[in-house]
Amino acid sequence: NAGVMQNPRHLVRRRGQEARLRCSPMKGHSHVYWYRQLPEEGLKFMVYLQKENIIDESGMPKERFSAEFPKEGPSILRIQQVVRGDSAAYFCASSPSVAYNSPLHFGNGTRLTVT
Amino acid sequence: TQLLEQSPQFLSIQEGENLTVYCNSSSVFSSLQWYRQEPGEGPVLLVTVVTGGEVKKLKRLTFQFGDARKDSSLHITAAQPGDTGLYLCAGGPLNTVTNAGKSTFGDGTTLTVKP
Repeated sequence: NAGVMQNPRHLVRRRGQEARLRCSPMKGHSHVYWYRQLPEEGLKFMVYLQKENIIDESGMPKERFSAEFPKEGPSILRIQQVVRGDSAAYFCASSPSVAYNSPLHFGNGTRLTVT
Repeated sequence: TQLLEQSPQFLSIQEGENLTVYCNSSSVFSSLQWYRQEPGEGPVLLVTVVTGGEVKKLKRLTFQFGDARKDSSLHITAAQPGDTGLYLCAGGPLNTVTNAGKSTFGDGTTLTVKP
């Protein structure tokens, strides 16, 4: 039973390029969350998606960032025109339901470095 | 905005010692989760506490949720090098019983257990 799969594990982009991060949730999970983690800090919520719907994007910057979770295929977090401040680890998590005590299962993250 | 403060930020101890780390907030949470994260990996859920005053034990780890559901502690007995990692607490929002994925994370306690 595969866990949450994220790729790539490491991504290097020059300033101004686009970064695409992919996340396949655990089998049977239809709720996907993206978090960002800076070094020696906790995780900061970015966006919550269900299939074909963005439910809550209150933690995502208004510009350059977008996310989708299509009917088929993985969830994608897209960062356009990257800047050095975008360098961070981006984690995806999935859960089977939205119950308040439903556990989150995290992937191993994508480490984005902007040069 | 709900905030979680974790203390201490860093902790280095010898194998066999006991330790306690804390997670405090001025806000009430519907539930609280503890995660452990190792370098290069995603957080792994250790426990969820829901009821004020609740105590849960997981082998050498004891988790407690404060009576007012604003704070929590994690106590490790006879620490081992394998306990080394970043311990994160995360609180579920009170204003809804759903959407556990939109959790507020603390910045973590980095624990090092020396053999």
